[in-house]
Amino acid sequence: EIVLTQSPDFQSVTPKEKVTITCRASQSIGTGLHWYQQKPDQSPKLLIKYASQSISGVPSRFSGSGSGTDFTLTINSLEAEDAAAYYCHQSYSSPTFGGGTKVEIK
Amino acid sequence: EVQLLDSGGGLVQPGGSLRLSCAASGFTFNTYAMSWVRQAPGKGLEWVSAISGSGGATYYADSVKGRFTISRDNSKNTVYLKMNSLRAEDTAIYYCAKVTSGWYLDPLDHWGQGTLVTVSS
Repeated sequence: EIVLTQSPDFQSVTPKEKVTITCRASQSIGTGLHWYQQKPDQSPKLLIKYASQSISGVPSRFSGSGSGTDFTLTINSLEAEDAAAYYCHQSYSSPTFGGGTKVEIK
Repeated sequence: EVQLLDSGGGLVQPGGSLRLSCAASGFTFNTYAMSWVRQAPGKGLEWVSAISGSGGATYYADSVKGRFTISRDNSKNTVYLKMNSLRAEDTAIYYCAKVTSGWYLDPLDHWGQGTLVTVSS
């Protein structure tokens, strides 16, 4: 099983600040890494696919990068509505998710 | 507009069974693989199972293999998850999700609202 380790577990951020969330895979997964946002009491929403590909309708302040074992989700100029948990997901082999990063607005 | 409506959750005793359903609309159902993902209370996401667009191929997490069965009825645009020998650790919200293609390993671009399964005596 491929283990995804996210960091940090929790981040408290002021609006307009830049947020960086990392996801490390236990083995190389190419670019088979996707990011989701889950707001409280809502279903997850796909933000970025294949490490860096944007999704229609997702604000441009969300971007992704990386390949192999190290990946990053960046939120430029955080907005209050971005308070949520963020999960990475690998689809290189039997799917697994990272443990999640909760982003709180100060 | 893609819509996924999850149903069938509830309270069940350990060792019991339950069948979840996910009614889909807004896309050509038999073209896409479908997945089930669960989330234990206050915890992260866990992939459970997936099925190809035709229903001919199924995939399971080790934690549910041999106990859960995924199936689909393309005439009804519905995917199912039959859960047997339920354990307390199966307690979670179960989400149905549409895969972006017919290949189960592609990302999940639409999710149902979830249905809560509670396994307790």
